[in-house]
Parts: sequence; structure tokens; C-alpha cells
Amino acid sequence: DADVTQTPRNRITKTGKRIMLECSQTKGHDRMYWYRQDPGLGLRLIYYSFDVKDINKGEISDGYSVSRQAQAKFSLSLESAIPNQTALYFCATGDFRDELEGYTFGSGTRLTVV
Amino acid sequence: TQLLEQSPQFLSIQEGENLTVYCNSSSVFSSLQWYRQEPGEGPVLLVTVVTGGEVKKLKRLTFQFGDARKDSSLHITAAQPGDTGLYLCAGVSGGTSYGKLTFGQGTILTVHP
Repeated sequence: DADVTQTPRNRITKTGKRIMLECSQTKGHDRMYWYRQDPGLGLRLIYYSFDVKDINKGEISDGYSVSRQAQAKFSLSLESAIPNQTALYFCATGDFRDELEGYTFGSGTRLTVV
Repeated sequence: TQLLEQSPQFLSIQEGENLTVYCNSSSVFSSLQWYRQEPGEGPVLLVTVVTGGEVKKLKRLTFQFGDARKDSSLHITAAQPGDTGLYLCAGVSGGTSYGKLTFGQGTILTVHP
């Protein structure tokens, strides 16, 4: 099994619909992150969580919400999807106890809003 | 807001050529990481540089962290088609946000046989 699992891998939804992207990790890390990737813009941080009780907004949180259901689970919701939320979404985990350690990313969810 | 400017955005070269990708910021980072991403997958960590002036080598890849810890470069010697992919630099924040990454825009590298 992958260290970070994202579901679904692909999703097409209609404008105005609510959609949830799910993420689970088996690394045992406290910290989890949601990023959005658009061509030419790299990865931009949507939300991050340093532990189950700690949720923080990233640079592009408007239109999104998150839920940290457990140490291993961190879900991202689009309350009312709009076309400019069409993107590749990545969940990641990493605790930097070793400063050389990086994030472990999931394989991504490709979301299309029509 | 911390920003990382990565250049060039696109690089198309022939097998055997050398190349350098740059990552620049006005902010100081605790450390800097380089990731490589292939289509349909998430980014995978290549290296972390921590100390100003540090140079790390990974086979044909050489990574350098600037003395002021604001910029970094990735140099590939004798590029091969297997090097094709998206390369991302990421600055690691310190302080209360320790561990939060800020990514550059990415460099799409294509190495032609």
C-alpha cells in the first residue's frame, strides 16, 4: 500500500456541487497538507494541519474547507465547486523530525469542474 | 508571503548536454528542497540542503544552496532522457511554521535522445 493514498484519482463534477477529496497516510506523521497544482504556478498551499486539533489556512483557502478526522486522515472539501477550481490536488505528510526529510505526497486527484 | 522564483520554466535539450535550474527568493529559508515529479504522480524528494554555501551531489545532479540561504541551483551534467520531468524547488519555513513548504513554479525539463 502507498504511504499516502488519495481518493478519488479523477473526478468530474458540476458547478455548484459539493465535493470531498480524501487522504489517508500510514507514515504516522502528525502533519498533513493539501496543495493545489496548476500549470506554471507550482504547488500552492490550501490548508495544513500540524495535529488533529490544529488546522491552518494556507495561501489559497477561499472556497475550500478541511476536516482532520484522525491523525491519519485529512479531507478537503469544495463547498460549491466552480470551474476555476479545476486543478490537480495533492495531499502530503511530513514532520521534519529529521531536517533532511521531505514530504511524502499522494498520487494526486485530478478534479474537473464543468 | 514568501515567494520562490524558479527559472527557466521550460527547458528542452539534447541528450548529453548540461543544464542549470535556478531558484531565487528575497526570503531566508530554514532549508531548501528539490523535488522531481513525473506525470500522474506526486513530487518525490531529491535532496535537502541546509547550510548556506552547501553543495550536494547525487550522481549527475549537483545542488547548491546560496550563502545567504535565499537561493539554490540544480545542475545536471550530461542529461539523459530519463531525466525528463518537472523539477520543483521548495523553501522550508522556520519558526512557528517550521516544516511548511513554499514551492517555486517548477521547471519542465525535456531531454531528447
